[in-house]
Amino acid sequence: SYVLTQTPSLSVAPGQTATITCGGDNIGGKSVHWYQHKPGQAPRLVVYDDLVRPSGIPGRISASNSGNTATLSISAVEAGDEAAYFCQVWDLSGPAEFGGGTILTVL
Amino acid sequence: QVQLVQSEAEVKKPGASVKVACRTSGYPFINFGISWVRQAPGQGLEWMGWISAYDGDRHFAQNFQGRVSLTTDTSTNTSYMELKNLRSDDSAVYYCARGRSGAPTGWFDPWGQGTLVTVSS
Repeated sequence: SYVLTQTPSLSVAPGQTATITCGGDNIGGKSVHWYQHKPGQAPRLVVYDDLVRPSGIPGRISASNSGNTATLSISAVEAGDEAAYFCQVWDLSGPAEFGGGTILTVL
Repeated sequence: QVQLVQSEAEVKKPGASVKVACRTSGYPFINFGISWVRQAPGQGLEWMGWISAYDGDRHFAQNFQGRVSLTTDTSTNTSYMELKNLRSDDSAVYYCARGRSGAPTGWFDPWGQGTLVTVSS
């Protein structure tokens, strides 16, 4: 199976930039999708196809994907950004794979 | 707006089966597929399988082959996930999520609110 590696946790002060990474073998050759997941809520798509924001997602969120690392950046972090963030790709053999998730804490 | 509304929480005994419903609205049901994803306590997200609402084509994660059944009802725009022979480690929140129709690829958007399944003797 295809393994996606995320740092388990990240703490950022309000107003700063949170950078969340998702590592995988030649992940730059895959389409990466990112989800925000708050406790008790449904996961929410925040980026698809490496860097596209769905309607309603603020411009503070951006993403990139190259080589062995995909990156999700959240600038001007605010309390409402506290959540777990998961990356997702499709393995060649079919299954969708998720990273282990990064819990973002706003200090 | 597009909505996926799931059935209520379930408590089951080991060895039993559970069937979770995902009622959709706000979009043409047969133009998309539905994936099922679960999250066990303290764990990450785990994809279980996908079904095309157009033609019923299905793909499953290897871990669930033979134990999970996915169906759709185009008369009610509802998708169902049935998991058989439940074990305690099947206790999790189960989500449905809209995906592509023709193949299990792409992103999941939106998701249902989740259904908590507890397996306990």
